[in-house]
Parts: sequence; C-alpha cells; structure tokens
Amino acid sequence: GAVVSQHPSWVICKSGTSVKIECRSLDFQATTMFWYRQFPKQSLMLMATSNEGSKATYEQGVEKDKFLINHASLTLSTLTVTSAHPEDSSFYICSAEEDSYNEQFFGPGTRLTVL
Amino acid sequence: RKEVEQDPGPFNVPEGATVAFNCTYSNSASQSFFWYRQDCRKEPKLLMSVYSSGNEDGRFTAQLNRASQYISLLIRDSKLSDSATYLCVVTDNQGGKLIFGQGTELSVKP
Repeated sequence: GAVVSQHPSWVICKSGTSVKIECRSLDFQATTMFWYRQFPKQSLMLMATSNEGSKATYEQGVEKDKFLINHASLTLSTLTVTSAHPEDSSFYICSAEEDSYNEQFFGPGTRLTVL
Repeated sequence: RKEVEQDPGPFNVPEGATVAFNCTYSNSASQSFFWYRQDCRKEPKLLMSVYSSGNEDGRFTAQLNRASQYISLLIRDSKLSDSATYLCVVTDNQGGKLIFGQGTELSVKP
C-alpha cells in the first residue's frame, strides 16, 4: 500500500517557538493532503486541506496565521505551528490523497508537546 | 449536534464475544462511509468501507442504512488483538473530506 511519512514523530518545544512538521507521500503523488489534530480521548479534527501549488483551505476556527501550511510539491506538505503554546500540544496527523484512486493514506502522526 | 456520533465507550468484552458498534451521521448528503481502527498513539487505519448492501470481511460485518443515516460494525469471535478504538467516518459531498466520529474504545479481555 501507499506510504506516508511524517517528521518528526515527536517534538518537545518551549512556549513561543515555532515547530515545522513535514508530511511526505513516499511512493505516490498527492495533489491534496489533509492535516488533522487529535487531542487525548477525542477524535481527529480536520484542520485544513492542503493543495499543491495553491493556498490551503482552513476549517472554521483554525487560525491560518498560526498554522502555516505549504504544499510546494506533489509529495510534500508542511505544517508550521507558529508561536506554539501549551494548548497547541496535540497529536498532528496528515493524510495524502492518492491522485489516481482518491483514497487517503495517513501518516504515523507527530506528537507535539509545548512546555 | 455532532456530524458523526458513536456509542460511548469503553466496551469491555471477553475473548470470543460478539460486539456491535453503532454510528449515526447528520448529513444526508454524505457519500462514503468507513470504519477505521486506531491503536493507542498511532494513526487510524482503514478497517473497511461500508456499502448499502452490507459487506463482510472475515469476522467483521458492516451495514449502512441511508434512510436512518445509521452505520454499524459487528465483530464476531473477538480476539485480544481487536482491542483498539473504532472510528466511524463519513465523507462530505464536497471534495471528500473525512469526518470522524469520536470513536468507541474496545477492550477484549482473556
């Protein structure tokens, strides 16, 4: 099956710093990638839809200036959490939609802890 | 009202038991339906798609009732390895965004 990687798998940072998370589709092209956030004991919530070569579409309540998304190639999307605060601590998961089959494949997730 | 609602958990069952999960969705225009499995601290993995005609994959049977906007998952002969959180997922009618339910935790005991 198609493989999606995320880097880093976990990160601990100080409050006020910025953190970049990478999502890569390793063996297929993905025009569309999705970024989700999951708090403990809760389900995945879609944050934004990332489209290669264009601006991301953010879900209601998600600050686009705080969560910067760049999808510069067909295999890479990045999410930057700017000026992170403890309440941003969460599990961030990306998925990549395989262009031919419109199926989404999930990355292994990135666990962010902001101190 | 949440877009996708699931039975509250956790479900604690003995090995060999049959367990059923229920899910309802609010958007009648939803197009595709899935059950995902998520292990602790891992990403969700697709368990099976759900079709109106119902579908079965080994010990797992999924059913969809569009009129009632209801989805179910039945697990027969539960194994210890079935312990996980089961997520009911629907797509919207605008570009296929996945909308997740809050999940139902299953714990299968020896």
